[in-house]
Amino acid sequence: DTGVSQDPRHKITKRGQNVTFRCDPISEHNRLYWYRQTLGQGPEFLTYFQNEAQLEKSRLLSDRFSAERPKGSFSTLEIQRTEQGDSAMYLCASSLDRKYSGNTIYFGEGSWLTVV
Amino acid sequence: GQSLEQPSEVTAVEGAIVQINCTYQTSGFYGLSWYQQHDGGAPTFLSYNALDGLEETGRFSSFLSRSDSYGYLLLQELQMKDSASYFCAVVTDSWGKFQFGAGTQVVVTP
Repeated sequence: DTGVSQDPRHKITKRGQNVTFRCDPISEHNRLYWYRQTLGQGPEFLTYFQNEAQLEKSRLLSDRFSAERPKGSFSTLEIQRTEQGDSAMYLCASSLDRKYSGNTIYFGEGSWLTVV
Repeated sequence: GQSLEQPSEVTAVEGAIVQINCTYQTSGFYGLSWYQQHDGGAPTFLSYNALDGLEETGRFSSFLSRSDSYGYLLLQELQMKDSASYFCAVVTDSWGKFQFGAGTQVVVTP
């Protein structure tokens, strides 16, 4: 069990550029989540997947954000035309499918984005 | 709207007991979780309550009252390494979607 892996760990980009983050979940986990966290705040839900199906995308998320999980394995989160307000830590998490029972989600170390 | 309310900061001395309260108002409720996050680190799972009552795991205990939309995390025998942010999180749907509170920073002093 290598845990949830995220890449890159840090990214500095100029405003207006596109960035892509990758997440490799724990191998047998079929659920994958993306959260965003800014300093002093809790993780904010962005989107989640059950296998390759995207279940929900936060209404707070603009059309500049898109996430995919091809073949139900790794996932990518792309931010187009970045803005300074996108600066945050992007957290990926994964879990097993346990409907109506306890859920534990396991977070990766996060990808820090700084837009200058 | 949906909200999770928890205190922003708690300070206590080593060996003391700290209780972090969480009140929630969400569109769905399947359970309440607590996560710990050290500065610069990832949130890590502490506990999960789906039913009313107290769950104990070592020095940490978590309580849930669904009728009151309320829960708390109890940290006993505080240690310096317990200095961290603690988040309550509600599972809001059957697919396991979590909504997090803003977090409580616990500062442990010698």
